[in-house]
Amino acid sequence: DQQVKQNSPSLSVQEGRISILNCDYTNSMFDYFLWYKKYPAEGPTFLISISSIKDKNEDGRFTVFLNKSAKHLSLHIVPSQPGDSAVYFCAASALNYGGSQGNLIFGKGTKLSVKP
Amino acid sequence: DGGITQSPKYLFRKEGQNVTLSCEQNLNHDAMYWYRQDPGQGLRLIYYSQIVNDFQKGDIAEGYSVSREKKESFPLTVTSAQKNPTAFYLCASSIVGTSGNTIYFGEGSWLTVV
Repeated sequence: DQQVKQNSPSLSVQEGRISILNCDYTNSMFDYFLWYKKYPAEGPTFLISISSIKDKNEDGRFTVFLNKSAKHLSLHIVPSQPGDSAVYFCAASALNYGGSQGNLIFGKGTKLSVKP
Repeated sequence: DGGITQSPKYLFRKEGQNVTLSCEQNLNHDAMYWYRQDPGQGLRLIYYSQIVNDFQKGDIAEGYSVSREKKESFPLTVTSAQKNPTAFYLCASSIVGTSGNTIYFGEGSWLTVV
């Protein structure tokens, strides 16, 4: 059973507009969430993270929102650029529970295409 | 430059052969990980190690083996027992602690069984 779900396998956005990537989770013990960006045949690169004590974290064009009651997080990219075209993975861990619970669980990814 | 180096980038293996993928990091990270990516499957954890001379099975450890003799190195052996080894393999590392478990990935290794 998937603990981290990215229900949209793909998303297409016009350059300059907002991209919103969504992620849902089922494990209420998750307390740390991350987004990674991945180009084909390369390793994922870390984008932004958020702890469960916050509901928003911003870094430049990237903002992550966390809704704990809905077990939902989203990544907003504003404005979107063609270079943002990649696969985005959401990940979660139960960090404060220690041991193997601290390992990241990844969603299946959403492929973002930003059209010029 | 600090980072995670995986080698080889591309590897072809005949059925029935074992093959070892190398992973070296100079980030002084305590924990290291091996993930596998298949199309539409996201990233799945094979093995992880939080300290030298200790490692744990992840979600899909069958047909794989690892060793952690040095902090910097975490090689993965894909054995002939792995039924579907063709995939993109990713090594990663992180600092062990409660400040945030951000892991950093290498560039990946493509393994194709022919």
